[in-house]
Amino acid sequence: EVQLLESGGGLVQPGGSLRLSCAASGFTFSSYAMNWVRQAPGKGLEWVSVISAGGGSTYFADSVKGRFTISRDNSKNTLYLQMNSLRAEDTAVYYCATGPHVDTTFINGWFDPWGQGTLVTVSS
Amino acid sequence: DIQMTQSPSSVSASVGDRVTITCRASQGIARWFAWYQQRPGKAPKLLIYAASTLQSGVPSRFSGSGSGTDFTLTISSLQPEDFATYYCQQANSFPLTFGPGTKVDIK
Repeated sequence: EVQLLESGGGLVQPGGSLRLSCAASGFTFSSYAMNWVRQAPGKGLEWVSVISAGGGSTYFADSVKGRFTISRDNSKNTLYLQMNSLRAEDTAVYYCATGPHVDTTFINGWFDPWGQGTLVTVSS
Repeated sequence: DIQMTQSPSSVSASVGDRVTITCRASQGIARWFAWYQQRPGKAPKLLIYAASTLQSGVPSRFSGSGSGTDFTLTISSLQPEDFATYYCQQANSFPLTFGPGTKVDIK
């Protein structure tokens, strides 16, 4: 069974840092681009970042560029999101989501499957 | 950035009704387009990709159409489990963007 399990969320003060993890199982993790998508309470979906299957290419939303870093450890089947200089507007449920297979040669695409999400709250 | 708009923002419908949701992209995206369903408290679920391809396991009452800038999601006969929020997404270029969502609730 394909599974994505996020962890690392919690309460952090403005200006603080947090690292999210997403543990993958049930598929060949190293063959897929991976994304982070977030959803503020009661709001819609916002794509945050993507990393290619091999880790060599990354893209970010303007709202997090320069503050967030995406990485992956294919030996551990794990995706990461390092979040620095956090702001109140970063408060959201953060989902990891699988992107295109490496054979497609592109990393922009749709998301399937998704993890269950982890809540990040930025507040003093 | 490519902006995505959806209409209506909400719709009240009954079991068995046909429901149509539309999404428009601010510029042409060919068929780089997807639809998702999100039930309360759950992660989104991919329903349709490449504008009209039904994801494996998704009931055939869901269908998608369109290309370029205008897209449609149709639920042919609404079932109780279909009451949810539906989001469109463009996959043509970064930043990837979603529509604001359409909430389908019980009439």
